[in-house]
Amino acid sequence: EAGVTQFPSHSVIEKGQTVTLRCDPISGHDNLYWYRRVMGKEIKFLLHFVKESKQDESGMPNNRFLAERTGGTYSTLKVQPAELEDSGVYFCASSRSSRASTDTQYFGPGTRLTVL
Amino acid sequence: GENVEQHPSTLSVQEGDSAVIKCTYSDSASNYFPWYKQELGKRPQLIIDIRSNVGEKKDQRIAVTLNKTAKHFSLHITETQPEDSAVYFCAAIQYNAGNMLTFGGGTRLMVKP
Repeated sequence: EAGVTQFPSHSVIEKGQTVTLRCDPISGHDNLYWYRRVMGKEIKFLLHFVKESKQDESGMPNNRFLAERTGGTYSTLKVQPAELEDSGVYFCASSRSSRASTDTQYFGPGTRLTVL
Repeated sequence: GENVEQHPSTLSVQEGDSAVIKCTYSDSASNYFPWYKQELGKRPQLIIDIRSNVGEKKDQRIAVTLNKTAKHFSLHITETQPEDSAVYFCAAIQYNAGNMLTFGGGTRLMVKP
């Protein structure tokens, strides 16, 4: 089966600009997660979708970040306006079942965002 | 919330030696502990996981042990090979707060030929 894909792989923008990241989960996976790794630190949770609904967005840093998952398929994460501290690698992950908390989360390759 | 500490942050071993990476967690309700390996420029990939009802799990050269009482779990790699060089992340599921993974800070393992 095809893995989780993310686009773009890299993005370099200036402070104040807008960037939209896209994630396509594995087909049939209800759960979609966004994570971020900043400056070589730990990977941190941002939010979790179950199908098209936001299940948990407790990790979203502030209201400059907006995530959507229209139709319960792919998801977008928009940062507007971007700040320097938003630089990092943004990972998307998906898992199959909405009932089991221990389903394997499969990660995408990440989008490396650099804000200048 | 859950907090996961991982040590060491870097580990250098000679090819053929064993490597051990240790993690501790804070939430006693956590019940699933996966380990991910991230090679340079690639995606994190699950290499082994353990559930809280099991104390040890092995898969060829890798094994994970879990001590629920002490709230720590470890990854053991035997007969290390250069291709084991990568960043390894431990994680825990915060059981009562949804399905999000809480990660440790990562360990950069370097296996010298």
